[in-house]
Amino acid sequence: DTEVTQTPKHLVMGMTNKKSLKCEQHMGHRAMYWYKQKAKKPPELMFVYSYEKLSINESVPSRFSPECPNSSLLNLHLHALQPEDSALYLCASSSSSGISSYEQYFGPGTRLTVT
Amino acid sequence: EDKVVQSPLSLVVHEGDTVTLNCSYEVTNFRSLLWYKQEKKAPTFLFMLTSSGIEKKSGRLSSILDKKELFSILNITATQTGDSAIYLCAVGDAGGTSYGKLTFGQGTILTVHP
Repeated sequence: DTEVTQTPKHLVMGMTNKKSLKCEQHMGHRAMYWYKQKAKKPPELMFVYSYEKLSINESVPSRFSPECPNSSLLNLHLHALQPEDSALYLCASSSSSGISSYEQYFGPGTRLTVT
Repeated sequence: EDKVVQSPLSLVVHEGDTVTLNCSYEVTNFRSLLWYKQEKKAPTFLFMLTSSGIEKKSGRLSSILDKKELFSILNITATQTGDSAIYLCAVGDAGGTSYGKLTFGQGTILTVHP
């Protein structure tokens, strides 16, 4: 069973659309992450939430807006994206304390295509 | 800026071979080094190595961390076609606001032929 789930699996959107990616974790973790992964590249960190508060924003453009409604849910709101934003968006979760914060577990990702 | 470099970038072997994947790093405040296996989508956690745990083993996979020379290796013995994947190395940095932040290497693409 996948303990970090993401919906939708695939998303195609136009540059004027507004959409949201959703992530849910069932691991009791208090830290959640959004990563972006382009083809043949490693994941790149976008945002980190710890105890439902944004703790890291890696200078991500404002057309990406994260939201953490509670400790098990993480959303990424998308608006006015560009074609170069097409990528696999991965959600991850971890314990929020000490060395365990680095042991991150990933969801299956949402494959986003911006047309 | 943290830097993680993996080698080789790609590797083709036959079933039963043993492979060694390399990861070298430069980070300001090292806390951990992790190995992930990525097939079609989500990276799957394999190992985390830290100052207090520099060797890990699980079945045919094993990994060591050399904190002095700043590198790690991942060994896979008796490879199987199911081992075909991208293997990602990531390093955790503890400095300032980078708590919980992982920096990934570019990955090694492993292909195992029957």
